[in-house]
Amino acid sequence: NAGVTQTPKFRVLKTGQSMTLLCAQDMNHEYMYWYRQDPGMGLRLIHYSVGEGTTAKGEVPDGYNVSRLKKQNFLLGLESAAPSQTSVYFCASTLPSRGPRFFGPGTRLTVL
Amino acid sequence: DQQVKQNSPSLSVQEGRISILNCDYTNSMFDYFLWYKKYPAEGPTFLISISSIKDKNEDGRFTVFLNKSAKHLSLHIVPSQPGDSAVYFCAAETTSGTYKYIFGTGTRLKVLA
Repeated sequence: NAGVTQTPKFRVLKTGQSMTLLCAQDMNHEYMYWYRQDPGMGLRLIHYSVGEGTTAKGEVPDGYNVSRLKKQNFLLGLESAAPSQTSVYFCASTLPSRGPRFFGPGTRLTVL
Repeated sequence: DQQVKQNSPSLSVQEGRISILNCDYTNSMFDYFLWYKKYPAEGPTFLISISSIKDKNEDGRFTVFLNKSAKHLSLHIVPSQPGDSAVYFCAAETTSGTYKYIFGTGTRLKVLA
């Protein structure tokens, strides 16, 4: 089992560019989450999904979109990147249980 | 307004001794809490959780205590090991079933050999 994987690991964008972060899990989990972590702050929830074809907004959804077309994949899109989106992004998944239980290794994104 | 607070940014403990990490919260509606450990350049790892119907939960060297009247929880690690050196986050669910967990800012634990 690979667990939760994230692609890419690092990325540098220019302001206004777009990109998609991919999260994949091979544990047949129903719930998936996208978080961002900024220096001196805890993880903040961007969007989450409780099953294939469903998504919902978290605490800080502005500027991001998500899709969950397949159960094992959760995509996070930035349509027009801004410097404020410079962060480390973590994906997580879990069975129907309380709280995100398995995290990916993170994607470090820099927007210039 | 920080609803989940970890007021100690760092903590140093001697190997073999007890590590106590603290977390305070402001919302009395929180009813489920989790602790995570995070190493540099890795994702968080889930450690232990506790429901508000309990005041203690134990898993090996890790014990979480919940004091609802004080809105305080703590993670005890006994005995502490050098491999426990990491950043520890607590998290609380805002309302049951919302899937929205508020994380604290973390405490960096250093276990000295």
